[in-house]
Amino acid sequence: GQQLNQSPQSMFIQEGEDVSMNCTSSSIFNTWLWYKQDPGEGPVLLIALYKAGELTSNGRLTAQFGITRKDSFLNISASIPSDVGIYFCAGQWEYAGKSTFGDGTTLTVKP
Amino acid sequence: EAGVTQFPSHSVIEKGQTVTLRCDPISGHDNLYWYRRVMGKEIKFLLHFVKESKQDESGMPNNRFLAERTGGTYSTLKVQPAELEDSGVYFCASSHRLAGGPGETQYFGPGTRLLVL
Repeated sequence: GQQLNQSPQSMFIQEGEDVSMNCTSSSIFNTWLWYKQDPGEGPVLLIALYKAGELTSNGRLTAQFGITRKDSFLNISASIPSDVGIYFCAGQWEYAGKSTFGDGTTLTVKP
Repeated sequence: EAGVTQFPSHSVIEKGQTVTLRCDPISGHDNLYWYRRVMGKEIKFLLHFVKESKQDESGMPNNRFLAERTGGTYSTLKVQPAELEDSGVYFCASSHRLAGGPGETQYFGPGTRLLVL
């Protein structure tokens, strides 16, 4: 079935550093989504992207929908300890509610 | 407004037993989704309800899994009989906008952690 390749699998960074993670797919999506999951909780939507080439920011987070519609990246600037968690990318086809997720990137931020 | 709730939070059962997971979506949300994350891999789609109807059940692994949403409110996911590979975290999500349309936000519950021994 459809798979998303998300990288890196894990990251260990120092507080204040910038972080970048990405997802690639073998087929196109109409929507790219980025989620964050805190321990013991479900994923929470951070950013949604709907158009190829779209660049969207949410505070210190910036995400882009790749031109080919087969990839997306998420950047976090000036990381802080509460950024710790698992970040998931997900793709959707138009008007199909189900999302296809990547394996997740586990982020650890050292104070 | 209460978020998506799931019960139980954890379940440990033996192979061959039956387990029923419950999800209460956000009030008024017509869309209800079940997902599963196994062994630290990707979160996989299981099925999608619109109100009480199954819109898409393409992700259901096999006929040991049965999902219902009576009256279009809460949903149950029953696994019978459970196998070792069914272990994982089962998430429920709900949304109120057109599924897959612009602006749809799926709100996830905290998940049920199922361990089959």
